[in-house]
Amino acid sequence: RKEVEQDPGPFNVPEGATVAFNCTYSNSASQSFFWYRQDCRKEPKLLMSVYSSGNEDGRFTAQLNRASQYISLLIRDSKLSDSATYLCVVNTNAGKSTFGDGTTLTVKP
Amino acid sequence: GAVVSQHPSWVICKSGTSVKIECRSLDFQATTMFWYRQFPKQSLMLMATSNEGSKATYEQGVEKDKFLINHASLTLSTLTVTSAHPEDSSFYICSARDQGGSRYEKLFFGSGTQLSVL
Repeated sequence: RKEVEQDPGPFNVPEGATVAFNCTYSNSASQSFFWYRQDCRKEPKLLMSVYSSGNEDGRFTAQLNRASQYISLLIRDSKLSDSATYLCVVNTNAGKSTFGDGTTLTVKP
Repeated sequence: GAVVSQHPSWVICKSGTSVKIECRSLDFQATTMFWYRQFPKQSLMLMATSNEGSKATYEQGVEKDKFLINHASLTLSTLTVTSAHPEDSSFYICSARDQGGSRYEKLFFGSGTQLSVL
């Protein structure tokens, strides 16, 4: 079993749709959690950190469930520009970062 | 915000040659940098952890003699792909953490290097 697993996707949604991605992690000692966005042949860029209380940034909402060991990312009112691969990243207290395989989102007109 | 510079952005070389990729933290010190490889439509694969002033830590299956890593200063790590072959063609990305930040701090990525070996 992989340390970090994401929805395999791909997700193909129309503009304006709401889409949610899930990510599960196996290491209960994981300390911090992030969602990154990666465009084709570009470096990953931090989308948002994920906090226990949940956090929102505009159309994006991230949530963490430590008991069930999963995090989620919700995108509301999808835009064409949201098309990308979304990576779940989990850090342990030893500073190791583990990446999920990514979920590809395509937003269509 | 913190910036990591990586170059070259792309390189085409003949089989058997060596290619050096540089990763610099421009506005922070990084005792640790990370090197990844990414094949098309696949996720990032950690190759090695570069430690300033000491030997790099390689992930299982990554050849140390093939992928030479040097981290001679707090702001520079290099990855040299020695005797490159077509199967080494890939997208290589580095990342770093701000030394002054928490160990849980987010990663800052270089812009990546697309290597094509003919």
